[in-house]
Amino acid sequence: QVQLQESGPGLVKPSQTLSLTCTVSGGSISSGGYYWSWIRQHPGKGLEWIGYIFYSGTTYYNPSLKSRATISVDTSKNQFSLKLTSLTAADTAVYYCARHPYGAVSWFDPWGQGTLVTVSS
Amino acid sequence: IVMTQSPDSLAVSLGERATINCKSSQSVLYSSNNKNYLSWYQQKPGQPPKLLILWASTRESGVPDRFSGSGSGTDFTLTISSLQAEDVALYYCQQYYSTPKTFGQGTKLEIK
Repeated sequence: QVQLQESGPGLVKPSQTLSLTCTVSGGSISSGGYYWSWIRQHPGKGLEWIGYIFYSGTTYYNPSLKSRATISVDTSKNQFSLKLTSLTAADTAVYYCARHPYGAVSWFDPWGQGTLVTVSS
Repeated sequence: IVMTQSPDSLAVSLGERATINCKSSQSVLYSSNNKNYLSWYQQKPGQPPKLLILWASTRESGVPDRFSGSGSGTDFTLTISSLQAEDVALYYCQQYYSTPKTFGQGTKLEIK
């Protein structure tokens, strides 16, 4: 079965750029017509969808991120990545990667375990 | 689409019924296929959300049948028919009718 695992720095300074990678195992990122998303959860709070990518490179972002987010895919490594620029303390959150099992218009399943990112000097 | 859950927290006795509501700011029913584009998740501390229900009422494989989803259009309900201790968690609804995908704020379910 497909599993996802996030990786990246746990601590980033304000104004810097966050780079996270999601490694997909148990299946190919470029097969099945799946879309792949990043979602974040602020401490003790709800869930915010960041954006998705298709293996071809098609992307869609949440306008709330004001163009700070970029998602890319590396099919040779079976990975997709998130870059988030101009970080502030408000970007402190657990970042999850997840798959859309039913195309772009879909719920999320499975999810990675999540990685906590703290923005602090 | 704004998703609003009620209540924010809920305490129910073991073996009793728990009901969580979710309201969308616009309909998530797609008329061409008569499907409601709504899912429910369960999240336990330190874990990612786990999918429980898709299409508003279809239970995901492996989810106990005490969990059920209902509703259509803008009003939805997640029901746990007989609360078990392992059901203590946060519950979220999510619409996938339109992008950006959005979640409810969550409902915390506890044992009374």
